[in-house]
Amino acid sequence: AQSVTQLDSQVPVFEEAPVELRCNYSSSVSVYLFWYVQYPNQGLQLLLKYLSGSTLVKGINGFEAEFNKSQTSFHLRKPSVHISDTAEYFCAVSDNQGGKLIFGQGTELSVKP
Amino acid sequence: NAGVTQTPKFRVLKTGQSMTLLCAQDMNHEYMYWYRQDPGMGLRLIHYSVGEGTTAKGEVPDGYNVSRLKKQNFLLGLESAAPSQTSVYFCASSAGSRQHFGDGTRLSIL
Repeated sequence: AQSVTQLDSQVPVFEEAPVELRCNYSSSVSVYLFWYVQYPNQGLQLLLKYLSGSTLVKGINGFEAEFNKSQTSFHLRKPSVHISDTAEYFCAVSDNQGGKLIFGQGTELSVKP
Repeated sequence: NAGVTQTPKFRVLKTGQSMTLLCAQDMNHEYMYWYRQDPGMGLRLIHYSVGEGTTAKGEVPDGYNVSRLKKQNFLLGLESAAPSQTSVYFCASSAGSRQHFGDGTRLSIL
């Protein structure tokens, strides 16, 4: 069975500082990994995804993530955050490219001026 | 350019009442999903469909039923609502790896 653990429930950070949101997964089969963002009172939007190929994946809004198979991690990073990045971020895993997702518990990113 | 539309956006029910949540997508996607979101638990899959006329159980299917009579619509039903079903419900659709989400339905069961 697959599972996802987001290691931080809340991450406060000052504007223009770097941030890393941590995600570990477990799976006995090939994995496809995703990061989604949820702004208040909205649905989820895809930030980036890892399906195959380069382990460093770049997404929208300046975010990137690195797939590390040996550490079963898929951490999300941004070198300089903005107030507008305040949102909840979800890591998710699937066992096939078009299949159902297993989500982590979410990390609330709060960017302070 | 509607994408995924959920109705209603808010609803308050009494214990034991029934209701149906509607999800409609205009992207001709084969796959559709219903999730529930609870604080500290992320999103959990209730039921999903891989095409018109098909449905399958997800992680937390108990107390819910679904139907996919038309490709563009995916209905989620609560036959006898319970307070434990108070949640925010999200519908999503996909044709490939990316899922497109609606804005959610906030459901309170008193």
